[in-house]
This record gives sequence, C-alpha cells and structure tokens, in this order.
Amino acid sequence: EPEVTQTPSHQVTQMGQEVILRCVPISNHLYFYWYRQILGQKVEFLVSFYNNEISEKSEIFDDQFSVERPDGSNFTLKIRSTKLEDSAMYFCASWDREEGPDQPQHFGDGTRLSIL
Amino acid sequence: AQSVTQLGSHVSVSEGALVLLRCNYSSSVPPYLFWYVQYPNQGLQLLLKYTSAATLVKGINGFEAEFKKSETSFHLTKPSAHMSDAAEYFCAVSASGGYNKLIFGAGTRLAVHP
Repeated sequence: EPEVTQTPSHQVTQMGQEVILRCVPISNHLYFYWYRQILGQKVEFLVSFYNNEISEKSEIFDDQFSVERPDGSNFTLKIRSTKLEDSAMYFCASWDREEGPDQPQHFGDGTRLSIL
Repeated sequence: AQSVTQLGSHVSVSEGALVLLRCNYSSSVPPYLFWYVQYPNQGLQLLLKYTSAATLVKGINGFEAEFKKSETSFHLTKPSAHMSDAAEYFCAVSASGGYNKLIFGAGTRLAVHP
C-alpha cells in the first residue's frame, strides 16, 4: 500500500537555526498537510496546501513557518529560526480528492524535532 | 467550529476485558469522525471512520465505534483487550471529510495488564 514518507525521523537543531522537514506524499495525492504533536499533548493542525498554495493555516503557523512543494514529489516544512517550543513531532499527511470525502488523510511516521 | 473531547487521558484494563474509550464531538455540520492509534515512536494509523453510511463502524484489530448523534458521541470499543492494544488513541473530527483539516482530541493512553 502506498505510504507517506518523512525524513529525517529525528532532527536535532540548535535554537535559532533553520530546519527543513521533508515529506513525500502518496504520488497521486494533491492535498497536503502538516500537523505537530508536542510531547504528551494532542495532535494539532498547522497548515494545509493545495494547488501550490496554502489553503488554510492555524494560528501556530506564524511567519517563522513556511511550506513548499519544490518538485513533483516533495513537500517541505521550513522553520526559519527555531525556538525551544518548536520541539515536537511533526506529521505530514496527504489526501486524494478522487478517493472521496469519506476517505481519511494518510499520515507519515513523523519527524521528531528536538531544539537545543 | 469543530472540537473533540476525549474523556479519560489514561485507561487501564486487564487482558481480555472490554475496552471503552470515550469521544464526544462538537460540529455545526454533519461530521466525519475518525479514530487513530499511535503505537510508541510510530505515526498515526487509522482504526476506523464514520462517514454517515452506518452508525456502527467496524475497524481494524477488532475495534468498533458507534455514532450517536443524540449524544454527540463516537465511543471506541473492543470486546476483549489484547496486550498489543496498548497504545495512544486519538479521536478526530473533520467538517468535510478528508479534504478538511482534522481536529484531534487530547488522546487516551490505553494500558493493558495481564
């Protein structure tokens, strides 16, 4: 079964540094999402992306965050100047309109981001 | 706006006992509801989904959930717990199905003891 893949599985970064988290969605999917989960807390929506633009973003997704689909397969989340509170598990998800609205988003295994 | 409340952040059951994980939702439109499971150090795996086709939904690993509109609930059950069911379970709601963002509950950590 096709799956969403995320790299790296664990990223350790110094505070203030830029970090890019990478995702390869399922190949025929057109809708992409980022979620995050701070340790011990619930999964929170960050941003959705369709047709090369952001379709919705949460208040968490401030100017320090950006998303990009640099080519036909990758979907990236960039944090420009990381803060300690950015430490979390980041999940990428994708969805295919052709599957119908009752079909769920498909999630990757996540990238654990640790800010030192 | 949608929201999800999961009652009980931790649930502990004996192996072979009934599992009941509670989820109540709030939605201004007919909701799409999902249960996801997260095993330690892993991603989110779909257990089951409600999409208005049937109120009793069967999922993987013997889990099922019943949608009760009058109670705005979508509780997850399994008749007999197995040690391998120990994980974190998340209930999620979406206003428009897979297209729209998912709103997750806080999660319930299920422990299964011998």
